[in-house]
Amino acid sequence: AQSVAQPEDQVNVAEGNPLTVKCTYSVSGNPYLFWYVQYPNRGLQFLLKYITGDNLVKGSYGFEAEFNKSQTSFHLKKPSALVSDSALYFCAVRDMDGGATNKLIFGTGTLLAVQP
Amino acid sequence: DTGVSQNPRHKITKRGQNVTFRCDPISEHNRLYWYRQTLGQGPEFLTYFQNEAQLEKSRLLSDRFSAERPKGSFSTLEIQRTEQGDSAMYLCASEGSYNSPLHFGNGTRLTVT
Repeated sequence: AQSVAQPEDQVNVAEGNPLTVKCTYSVSGNPYLFWYVQYPNRGLQFLLKYITGDNLVKGSYGFEAEFNKSQTSFHLKKPSALVSDSALYFCAVRDMDGGATNKLIFGTGTLLAVQP
Repeated sequence: DTGVSQNPRHKITKRGQNVTFRCDPISEHNRLYWYRQTLGQGPEFLTYFQNEAQLEKSRLLSDRFSAERPKGSFSTLEIQRTEQGDSAMYLCASEGSYNSPLHFGNGTRLTVT
């Protein structure tokens, strides 16, 4: 069965510093990987995805993520954090093993707090 | 693309009552998902529709829960005889293909008193 782990409940970073939010996954087939952001009392907003191709993918608001197959990781990064980046971040994986649904499975989330 | 719309945004009900939520997906999307999210947790998969066919239901979905998607358009999620443990945010999402991201609505927050 597919699963996603986000080992940090919270990440604290000063504005202007680089940030990393960690994600590891487990699938039996090829992974489709996604990052979403959630603001209070709102649904999830898509940031970026890895399907195939270059391991480094770029997304919305200056975020990027690197797919590492050997480490089964898909860490989210940003070179310079903004206070407005403070939110809840979710990593998600879809196991493309040919199953009927190939549903998206989410991690437990990481709260990013950017201090001014 | 008007986005995924969910109604109501908030629902407060007494234990034992029935509630129904509605989701209007993006019009050209044939795949529709329901997820449940509790405080401090990621969204948990509940059920999936492709057009009008309900293809998968999570074991989280007890017999008190039922979902429909008549004519493959909007979807409804009904909870019968609500319990306090049903209190959560119920999220609906739709997509056009497996390569594309899920588009989420803003959710319906259910509080069972």
